[in-house]
Amino acid sequence: KNEVEQSPQNLTAQEGEFITINCSYSVGISALHWLQQHPGGGIVSLFMLSSGKKKHGRLIATINIQEKHSSLHITASHPRDSAVYICAPVGGNTDKLIFGTGTRLQVFP
Amino acid sequence: ETGVTQTPRHLVMGMTNKKSLKCEQHLGHNAMYWYKQSAKKPLELMFVYNFKEQTENNSVPSRFSPECPNSSHLFLHLHTLQPEDSALYLCASSQVIRVSTDTQYFGPGTRLTVL
Repeated sequence: KNEVEQSPQNLTAQEGEFITINCSYSVGISALHWLQQHPGGGIVSLFMLSSGKKKHGRLIATINIQEKHSSLHITASHPRDSAVYICAPVGGNTDKLIFGTGTRLQVFP
Repeated sequence: ETGVTQTPRHLVMGMTNKKSLKCEQHLGHNAMYWYKQSAKKPLELMFVYNFKEQTENNSVPSRFSPECPNSSHLFLHLHTLQPEDSALYLCASSQVIRVSTDTQYFGPGTRLTVL
């Protein structure tokens, strides 16, 4: 079993829909990163959080350390949100990123 | 624009060739990283450099040879690669080496195909 599980693996949506991507992990962590990878390959860091909730524009990230779970929400989705979203917890004892396999999101007009 | 550039963006090479990937960061960061991303697999950390010194080699085969002449430049020298080494190679940098508190900035990647 992978240390980091993301669901769903693939997601399609119509423009304007509310999107939720889930991340569960099995190890103790000190923080968690959400990353966005566009089709060209480049990766952008969206959030780094260790508790509660963070919001940036239409994006919201939440984390529940006790339940070992984090979610990324996109409100009013847009075709430009189409990308792979990667959850990457930071191992508590190792200070190393543990990468999920990503969720591929396609938003259609 | 992330401030981290990589060249070339695409590379096709034979198994007997020698080539190099280059990464440059314009952010004044002190830590630099090489990652490998194979199809359908999570990102894998390969090497970490902090203030030009290698601090981590994640059991990478010796056919991959990194070089960090200064905090702004990172190279990955390739020789006698195998077809399974075909992947997207990503460079990243961060101000400090602590990922629990610091954000990494990624380059666009080099898509490598080994024939």
